[in-house]
Amino acid sequence: NAGVTQTPKFQVLKTGQSMTLQCAQDMNHEYMSWYRQDPGMGLRLIHYSVGAGITDQGEVPNGYNVSRSTTEDFPLRLLSAAPSQTSVYFCATKQDSFSYEQYFGPGTRLTVT
Amino acid sequence: GDSVTQMEGPVTLSEEAFLTINCTYTATGYPSLFWYVQYPGEGLQLLLKATKADDKGSNKGFEATYRKETTSFHLEKGSVQVSDSAVYFCALSDDYQGAQKLVFGQGTRLTINP
Repeated sequence: NAGVTQTPKFQVLKTGQSMTLQCAQDMNHEYMSWYRQDPGMGLRLIHYSVGAGITDQGEVPNGYNVSRSTTEDFPLRLLSAAPSQTSVYFCATKQDSFSYEQYFGPGTRLTVT
Repeated sequence: GDSVTQMEGPVTLSEEAFLTINCTYTATGYPSLFWYVQYPGEGLQLLLKATKADDKGSNKGFEATYRKETTSFHLEKGSVQVSDSAVYFCALSDDYQGAQKLVFGQGTRLTINP
């Protein structure tokens, strides 16, 4: 039981490049989400999904796309990276929309130059 | 909107010292409150929670009491260890577009020296 896995752990991009951050879970959780963590700002919600085929925007969605074709996977896409997207990205899951406890992946540290 | 404010860090203590990390919140409803901990190089883990006023959450020697009258949820531990060195986040649950989402404070970095 791996829990929540994220790849890659580290990534450096040039401005304008695209990439996909991967998130996978083996807990059969309905709810999955992406956060970014910036110094002094805590974690901010980017996008979330309450089940396969359903996604919605969080607080800071601009510049990011998501899709949820399976229960297990919730990739985050940066279509044209900008230096303002330099951050640590966390995927988190929970049993369903109304559960309280979230389970976090180990994070992806992204640097955009 | 709802928000969480945490004590400014970083905090440095000696082993066996008493720990308090302050957390206050603003919310329109009656949120549940949480403390998450992030060890170096890892994701966040739930440390403890309280779902209603006057509830006390506790885990691994840490405690926090949900105080509605002062809108606070301060984290305490009587005797800290080097292994408690981590970043601690206070959070509340918020009803966001029909789902429960977490609103986090900015985090407090704690370092315990032997």
